Amino acid sequence: DGGITQSPKYLFRKEGQNVTLSCEQNLNHDAMYWYRQDPGQGLRLIYYSQIVNDFQKGDIAEGYSVSREKKESFPLTVTSAQKNPTAFYLCASSIGTGGVTGELFFGEGSRLTVL
Amino acid sequence: GQQVMQIPQYQHVQEGEDFTTYCNSSTTLSNIQWYKQRPGGHPVFLIQLVKSGEVKKQKRLTFQFGEAKKNSSLHITATQTTDVGTYFCAGQGNQGGKLIFGQGTELSVKP
Repeated sequence: DGGITQSPKYLFRKEGQNVTLSCEQNLNHDAMYWYRQDPGQGLRLIYYSQIVNDFQKGDIAEGYSVSREKKESFPLTVTSAQKNPTAFYLCASSIGTGGVTGELFFGEGSRLTVL
Repeated sequence: GQQVMQIPQYQHVQEGEDFTTYCNSSTTLSNIQWYKQRPGGHPVFLIQLVKSGEVKKQKRLTFQFGEAKKNSSLHITATQTTDVGTYFCAGQGNQGGKLIFGQGTELSVKP
């Protein structure tokens, strides 16, 4: 089946530890995105990538890092510099990178809890 | 920067009642998208509106894009329990760029 796979679904971390969230897509989409979701705040963009080996900061990139070494993969690392990392993280992809962003396809999300 | 405001934040309705959520942008949009997120789930695309004044329908759902392309609405006629979830709008500015999501409207439906 075509789609986006995120792992792990649930993750617990101690303060001061880095964690990496995986995102893989087999939709052959050029663009990939990471969003953070907190209750009552909608979806906020962390990082996005429009092409392999290139990515841009979103609105809340501080304390996060990404890589895009392959078209299919866009992992997100939550570093110890992120002050409030407990949240629901959503990865998404879309076709193309032209002026109009098309439909976003979301993964099932990763829920990170910092103990 | 561009902001997208969505109201109301919560809406509780009796099954069979209508429901509307509104989205307003601080700047003119090139297009707007709507998503639905079921409780515990992930956002799923519903529709994209591109033209000024555009109206699209999907069964009981009606989507509108304002004439000035700065606001949009989603109206559900005769809600059902399956409509429960959070509805998000997401707008993209005239210069392309990122999609900006509204805060979402959480809909609950009492049978």
